[in-house]
Amino acid sequence: DGGITQSPKYLFRKEGQNVTLSCEQNLNHDAMYWYRQDPGQGLRLIYYSQIVNDFQKGDIAEGYSVSREKKESFPLTVTSAQKNPTAFYLCASSMTGFGNQPQHFGDGTRLSIL
Amino acid sequence: SQQGEEDPQALSIQEGENATMNCSYKTSINNLQWYRQNSGRGLVHLILIRSNEREKHSGRLRVTLDTSKKSSSLLITASRAADTASYFCATAQYNTNAGKSTFGDGTTLTVKP
Repeated sequence: DGGITQSPKYLFRKEGQNVTLSCEQNLNHDAMYWYRQDPGQGLRLIYYSQIVNDFQKGDIAEGYSVSREKKESFPLTVTSAQKNPTAFYLCASSMTGFGNQPQHFGDGTRLSIL
Repeated sequence: SQQGEEDPQALSIQEGENATMNCSYKTSINNLQWYRQNSGRGLVHLILIRSNEREKHSGRLRVTLDTSKKSSSLLITASRAADTASYFCATAQYNTNAGKSTFGDGTTLTVKP
């Protein structure tokens, strides 16, 4: 069954710690995305990648970093520079990165501060 | 700034009634998509309507697009308790930031059994 897998489902970060959220897809999609969702709000784009070994900043990239070394994988690191990391993080993919394709989403990682 | 804005923010109806949600946007778009999100889950794509289309149907869903008014509506007919979720519109533009879709804040729909 094709889809997007995010792990872990819940994650806790200590002060000054970097944490990495995993996102894997087996849909053979070129484009992948990371969004942040705060309670009662919509999605805000953190980073996106239209192709392997390339990625661009979204609207709220500060305090986050990504890599795209493999087509299937797009991990997100929440660094200690992100002072308010508590949120629901969603990863998505689409066949191409040209904004005219439906996005497929994982079930999210909920990050909290300890 | 937010490109798509849904209206109303929250909607509560009885099972069997129709639910209508609206989305307004600011700049020209290539297409508009509607997504659904159940509590604590990821988004699920419902329907995509292109800028040259005016209406699209999928099962109990009907989407309209009025590019002159920069607005779209999602109608769910004969609603069921299982339709309870948040619904988001997302717009895609062709510009230097090609590849990005911008999501609104959503409409939370509650369908009472």
